[in-house]
Order: sequence, then structure tokens, then C-alpha cells
Amino acid sequence: QVQLQESGPGLVKPSETLSLTCAVSGYSISSGYYWGWIRQPPGKGLEWIGNIYHSGSTYYNPSLKSRVTISVDTSKNQFSLKLSSVTAADTAVYYCARGGVGANGAVDYWGQGTLVTVSS
Amino acid sequence: QLVLTQSPSASASLGASVKLTCTLSSGHSSYAIAWHQQQPEKGPRYLMKLNSDGSHSRGDGIPDRFSGSSSGAERYLTISSLQSEDEADYYCQTWGTGISVFGGGTKLTVL
Repeated sequence: QVQLQESGPGLVKPSETLSLTCAVSGYSISSGYYWGWIRQPPGKGLEWIGNIYHSGSTYYNPSLKSRVTISVDTSKNQFSLKLSSVTAADTAVYYCARGGVGANGAVDYWGQGTLVTVSS
Repeated sequence: QLVLTQSPSASASLGASVKLTCTLSSGHSSYAIAWHQQQPEKGPRYLMKLNSDGSHSRGDGIPDRFSGSSSGAERYLTISSLQSEDEADYYCQTWGTGISVFGGGTKLTVL
């Protein structure tokens, strides 16, 4: 059973960088699939942030591309998200997931999500 | 531009069936989609992948009350024998080369 678990600060100050990590168990990231991040502002819908392959190949939402970096650590079977220059509009529940782009583009496993609030 | 369109809301009675629609933007009628369910105060759960020919594969533990079908650019999710726990938001998702897109979601109310 594939399991994903997000971790990171729940509160980030405006203009700072949001950093989250997703630990994967039950499946080796190196075995395939793209791995990614999706967010959901309070009371709103889902927004794709971006994806990474174990080789390091990345794809980002054009609306966030200038501020997003996704990286992977295959030795720890985890991947990470950094979102810079955050504002209140970045307050959301952040989910990590398997899938999103590529041949297996359906998101078929989700993390439980972590709420990140941007506030001073 | 790859866009998915969903009706904001739907309703159906307990024990009945309901069909939710997700429409692909022009030029993308061959794309597969995925359906996801988000119950109140919970994270999303993958329901199924739905291909343009109507074939679909459900996720782990998803009952066969959930089924999918396709017609042109429309992708459907049918839920039969509605139960109270089916009251949720339903999102469709598709993907292309280097991009992933979610529909705006449909809020299903079970009467």
C-alpha cells in the first residue's frame, strides 16, 4: 500500500519561503511515476503545483513557476516543495501525491494534507 | 488550453443514482481523466481513471457502485445506490505533456 505523508511548518511569514517534505512508503520513488504537489485554499478547489520524476525532471504550474522548486531525494524516498515569496494567497492545505503528469498522469495516491498558513 | 468544466452542484435522493459530468475543452476530447472524491473535512480520494472509450479502472477499495463512461468530450461519473457518505465534492483531473489540470468540482448533496 502506497502511503504519502507531508511534513513541515504550519505557519510561514509573508515574503518568506514555504518548505514541505513528503515521505513515501510502500513504493520506491525510483521505480517510476511522477510525484507532485497539489494545494487547496480554504473553501476552494484543487490547484496543481508541480511534479518531479526520480531523475529530477520537473514540471510546474505556469502561474507558480517563478516561485516553485520541487526536488527529490531517492535515498530517503522523499520529495520536497519550496515556494518562495509567499503571501496570504498561498494559505492552503498542501497535498503530496503520486501521479499528475506523464504516462501515469492520474493522481492515484494522496497524502493526508497539511495546512500552511501565511501570516505575520 | 486544457480546461475541465464541472457543474458546481448536484443532488439526488438516498438509494437513487446520480450522474456527474466533466467536460474537456475543445481539442482535448481524446484525453483520459481521473475522478476524485473529497468528503467533508477530509483529503481527496482517488476513485478511478476514465479513458475516452469509456473503459475505466477503479482505485483500491472503491466499490462498483462508482462507474465511469465517456461520450465525446464528456466524462461521466455515475454513483448508484446513493449512500449518505457519498455526499462530497467530486473533482475530475486530466493531464497532458507537462501539465495537470483539475476541474472546479461538483458538490453532491444526498437528499
